[in-house]
Amino acid sequence: DGGITQSPKYLFRKEGQNVTLSCEQNLNHDAMYWYRQDPGQGLRLIYYSQIVNDFQKGDIAEGYSVSREKKESFPLTVTSAQKNPTAFYLCASSIGNNEQFFGPGTRLTVL
Amino acid sequence: QQPVQSPQAVILREGEDAVINCSSSKALYSVHWYRQKHGEAPVFLMILLKGGEQMRHEKISASFNEKKQQSSLYLTASQLSYSGTYFCGTVQGGSEKLVFGKGTKLTVNP
Repeated sequence: DGGITQSPKYLFRKEGQNVTLSCEQNLNHDAMYWYRQDPGQGLRLIYYSQIVNDFQKGDIAEGYSVSREKKESFPLTVTSAQKNPTAFYLCASSIGNNEQFFGPGTRLTVL
Repeated sequence: QQPVQSPQAVILREGEDAVINCSSSKALYSVHWYRQKHGEAPVFLMILLKGGEQMRHEKISASFNEKKQQSSLYLTASQLSYSGTYFCGTVQGGSEKLVFGKGTKLTVNP
C-alpha cells in the first residue's frame, strides 16, 4: 500500500541534543513538507521540497534543518538552536499544489 | 498571510447543520479543507480552485468566493463521525506554499 511513514511515533530529547525525525513516502510524489503543530496554532510550515536536492524554508525554519537526497525521504533535524521544540511534527507529500497526504506524525518532547 | 477561520469552535447535535468560514487578505489561487481527529493526521476533504466549481464530499460541500477571498465549508445533517478540527489551507497566486488557518473544532453530540 502506498503512503507516508514517520518514525518514531514518540521521541524524547534532552535539552541541547539534536534529534532527527524520519519521513518516507512511496507515493512517487515530488513535493514533501514538514509542519509543526502546537495546540491552537494550526499547522505551521517548517521546510518544504519540490524536487530532490532542493528545499526551501517555510515560516518557522529557525532551529531546524532538512535534506532531500532521495525522492522518497525527507528527514527533519531538530537542532539545539530550536528553543521550544516540544510539539507534534507532521510530514506530508503531494503532486504539485494538489491534495497533501500526511504521515501519522511524531510527538517530540524535550525533557 | 495566515487565513482566518471562524468560528473557533462549534457544538452541534447530530443532524444539525454548520458553516465554517475561511478568509484571506491576499488573492488566492486555491483553498484546501482538511479534517483532523484528535491525535491523528489531517485528512484531505476537498480543494477549491480559482474559477472552479463548488465541491462536495459526501454531505460536506464548500464554496470559494474569489471576490471576497473567502471559502465556506458546509456540513449538512451532521453525523457523529464529523467531529474533529477542520483546517483550511490557502495557496496564494504564484506561491508554492499552503498556509493553514488555526482550525475550527467541531463537536457533534448524540
